[in-house]
Amino acid sequence: AQKITQTQPGMFVQEKEAVTLDCTYDTSDPSYGLFWYKQPSSGEMIFLIYQGSYDQQNATEGRYSLNFQKARKSANLVISASQLGDSAMYFCAMRDYEAGSYQLTFGKGTKLSVIP
Amino acid sequence: NAGVTQTPKFRILKIGQSMTLQCTQDMNHNYMYWYRQDPGMGLKLIYYSVGAGITDKGEVPNGYNVSRSTTEDFPLRLELAAPSQTSVYFCASSIIEGPNSPLHFGNGTRLTVT
Repeated sequence: AQKITQTQPGMFVQEKEAVTLDCTYDTSDPSYGLFWYKQPSSGEMIFLIYQGSYDQQNATEGRYSLNFQKARKSANLVISASQLGDSAMYFCAMRDYEAGSYQLTFGKGTKLSVIP
Repeated sequence: NAGVTQTPKFRILKIGQSMTLQCTQDMNHNYMYWYRQDPGMGLKLIYYSVGAGITDKGEVPNGYNVSRSTTEDFPLRLELAAPSQTSVYFCASSIIEGPNSPLHFGNGTRLTVT
C-alpha cells in the first residue's frame, strides 16, 4: 500500500477563495509526523506546516491549516484566501519509523492553479 | 543564513560519464539526505546519513554512492551515468531524526543524461 496518497493531480481555485488539498496516509507506527511542502515553478521545496500524530489540535500557519482526521488517516491542507503566488505543486509527506530510521515519504503531489 | 547549498544547479552528462553533486549545510545538522524527483512525481530517497562517517541506503540507491567525511558536506556520486538518472536531485538536512522534525531542502540540481 502507498504510504501517502494525493488523489488530486490538479486543482483550480479562484483568487481569494479557500481550497482544500487532500492527503491520506498509511502507517502502523503510532508516532508519526505529517508535513506539507510547496514547490513553486522555480523548483525549491518550501516547508509549510507540520502535524504530529499526538497533537490534539489542527496545526495552523498563517493562511495554511491542516485538517487532521486521525481515524480516517487524512491530513488535508487548507489554504484560505488564495493568492496568485500560491500557484505551485503541493506535496504531502509523512515521517514514520521504518527499517530502523525515521524517513520522510512523499506523495505524488497536487498542482494548484490560482485563477485571477 | 545559507541553509542547504547544492552545486551545480544544472548539468548535462553523456552516458557513462561520472560526476559528483555537492551538498553542504551550515546549520550543524547531523542528518542529511539525498532525494531524486522524476517528472510529475514526488521525491524518492536515495541515501541518507545520520552523522559523519555513517551512511545508509534509501529506496532507490542503485547507481549512486555517497560519503560523509564532515558534518557539513554530503556529496552524491554518479559513477556511470545512465538516461534513467535524468532527474532533479535534492539534498536535505534535519536537526534531529524523529517524527516531528521537518527536512530543510536545497534548491536542487537538474541533471540530464543523454
